[in-house]
Amino acid sequence: DQQVKQNSPSLSVQEGRISILNCDYTNSMFDYFLWYKKYPAEGPTFLISISSIKDKNEDGRFTVFLNKSAKHLSLHIVPSQPGDSAVYFCAASGGSGTYKYIFGTGTRLKVLA
Amino acid sequence: EAGVVQSPRYKIIEKKQPVAFWCNPISGHNTLYWYLQNLGQGPELLIRYENEEAVDDSQLPKDRFSAERLKGVDSTLKIQPAELGDSAVYLCASSFTGGDIQYFGAGTRLSVL
Repeated sequence: DQQVKQNSPSLSVQEGRISILNCDYTNSMFDYFLWYKKYPAEGPTFLISISSIKDKNEDGRFTVFLNKSAKHLSLHIVPSQPGDSAVYFCAASGGSGTYKYIFGTGTRLKVLA
Repeated sequence: EAGVVQSPRYKIIEKKQPVAFWCNPISGHNTLYWYLQNLGQGPELLIRYENEEAVDDSQLPKDRFSAERLKGVDSTLKIQPAELGDSAVYLCASSFTGGDIQYFGAGTRLSVL
């Protein structure tokens, strides 16, 4: 049973446009969410997170939106750059400081120059 | 500051052979994690250490997998004997105790022939 789902295995976007990556979860006990970025032959790198007490968190070009009623979060990248091409993983946990992450299967983003 | 260091980066072995992976976490991080990442999937937690104590090994297949973190710093993960289905990337991560963010190493890609 996949508790965290990323239904789009891949996404292609033109440079300068917005990239939107989606993530759905099923466990209502999750209340802390993270996005990791992974380049080939490297480990996942933390990108941005959001607590369930918020519905938006922004860090430069990256914004994460959380819709608790829909159990859905999304990562927006504006503007997209070729260096953003990577696999993006959504992860969820039971709360800030709770160690156990449940990861989605990832979305491969390709930003076209 | 050095990140999480893992070795070897790649390992190819025959089935039924033993194999070991090594991880050096970020200095000062008391919590260490081992994850398994199958192709096309997100990382899945195998074991978590707080200092030298394994506080969650519920997902570790104990018939063939073992791990240790004797001095609360470096850790090794061992498989004996390896099976074809063990071919995957083994990731190590570390964090401060209770920390929200886990920092990953580049992983060890294991191929069992």
